[in-house]
Amino acid sequence: QSALTQPASVSGSPGQSITFSCTGTSSDVGGYNYVSWYQQHPGKVPKLMIYEVSNRPSGVPDRFSGSKSGNTASLTISGLQAEDEADYYCSSYTSSSTLVFGGGTKLTVL
Amino acid sequence: QVQLVESGGGLVKPGGSLRLSCAASGFTFSDYYMSWIRQAPGKGLEWVSYISSSGSTIYYADSVKGRFTISRDNAKNSLYLQMNSLRAEDTAVYYCARGRGYRNDYWGQGTLVTVSS
Repeated sequence: QSALTQPASVSGSPGQSITFSCTGTSSDVGGYNYVSWYQQHPGKVPKLMIYEVSNRPSGVPDRFSGSKSGNTASLTISGLQAEDEADYYCSSYTSSSTLVFGGGTKLTVL
Repeated sequence: QVQLVESGGGLVKPGGSLRLSCAASGFTFSDYYMSWIRQAPGKGLEWVSYISSSGSTIYYADSVKGRFTISRDNAKNSLYLQMNSLRAEDTAVYYCARGRGYRNDYWGQGTLVTVSS
């Protein structure tokens, strides 16, 4: 049950688009379309932003989008806003019928 | 509205035990699988365990297998996590979360477990 690999940090300016990566294996990310993304502001509870690779729950702005290619999933935020500054975690279902999270990426809006 | 309220956290000595509870409301609890997810101070999220809607299917992370037991009482709309043989590395905020299609769409506020002598 190795954690999925995410970059520790990314940064961008307001209005820009940025993409987070989440790399796993064929036993998790690459094998199933059950990748989710969560946003967590400091001291707050994680919030589901994307599920099943590319679906947005109601209430999540369409600036957030998800995709997958092979063993790597991606979260893209277009039109970056100051309120998007947070930690972002990916998660995937695995071949062991468990769930696994990535280490998280800290987004800084410059 | 969906509400999940965890309780039972606190300070415990290494090797000790603790039982966490999660009270659910605002949805049909017995229709959903439920998860426990933890976050050590300053660290990332770690999935701990999930239990199916009926309680018949349960899975654990390797890090807690054999020490933690997840259970639920659908009549009481409650989820539990019995934690035994606690270690310093189990120190974390423990969240209960509603599961749906291998995603966790609602999370509680969390309860802090501190394992220290």
